[in-house]
Amino acid sequence: AQTVTQSQPEMSVQEAETVTLSCTYDTSESDYYLFWYKQPPSRQMILVIRQEAYKQQNATENRFSVNFQKAAKSFSLKISDSQLGDAAMYFCAYRSPSGGSNYKLTFGKGTLLTVNP
Amino acid sequence: NAGVTQTPKFQVLKTGQSMTLQCAQDMNHEYMSWYRQDPGMGLRLIHYSVGAGITDQGEVPNGYNVSRSTTEDFPLRLLSAAPSQTSVYFCASSTPGLNYGYTFGSGTRLTVV
Repeated sequence: AQTVTQSQPEMSVQEAETVTLSCTYDTSESDYYLFWYKQPPSRQMILVIRQEAYKQQNATENRFSVNFQKAAKSFSLKISDSQLGDAAMYFCAYRSPSGGSNYKLTFGKGTLLTVNP
Repeated sequence: NAGVTQTPKFQVLKTGQSMTLQCAQDMNHEYMSWYRQDPGMGLRLIHYSVGAGITDQGEVPNGYNVSRSTTEDFPLRLLSAAPSQTSVYFCASSTPGLNYGYTFGSGTRLTVV
């Protein structure tokens, strides 16, 4: 079974600075998908960024980028130019490819990010 | 396009009461799931469905029932509520194989007293 570990229960960053959230995972599959979800105080789960394991290029979405290290099974999220609206709980998640456990997401326990003005 | 709609948003139950959390999606997604979110635990899978008429258990199924009579609807039933079921519940849907993850409802905060 796959597992996802977020080793930082809480992080803080100054507004306009850069912060990196860590995520590691364990799997025996060679192809899979990885995601970062943001959960603001509104409780809504918002997809921030996704990465296909077969793609070597790191995904980028505006101020959000990932550092995907497949051999190390590491998938960190970098937030540049942090804004007050980035304050939220962030979840790392794993999804198997079709035919496996594709029906579900496996989540880490989350990292609570605080942005200080 | 409403996406995934969950009702109610908040609910307080007494121990032993039963209730149904409703979930509907309008994206013709085959996969639907129920997760519960507890502090420090992330989201854990309760039950899931890969199509109408097909359901199965996830990691934490005890005390919950589901059914999937249509593609659109996937209700979650609490048979006899217990304080341990106090949690935030999320319904989510997806299409098999696509890499965009799941679309989530807005969640239900359930308190069992």
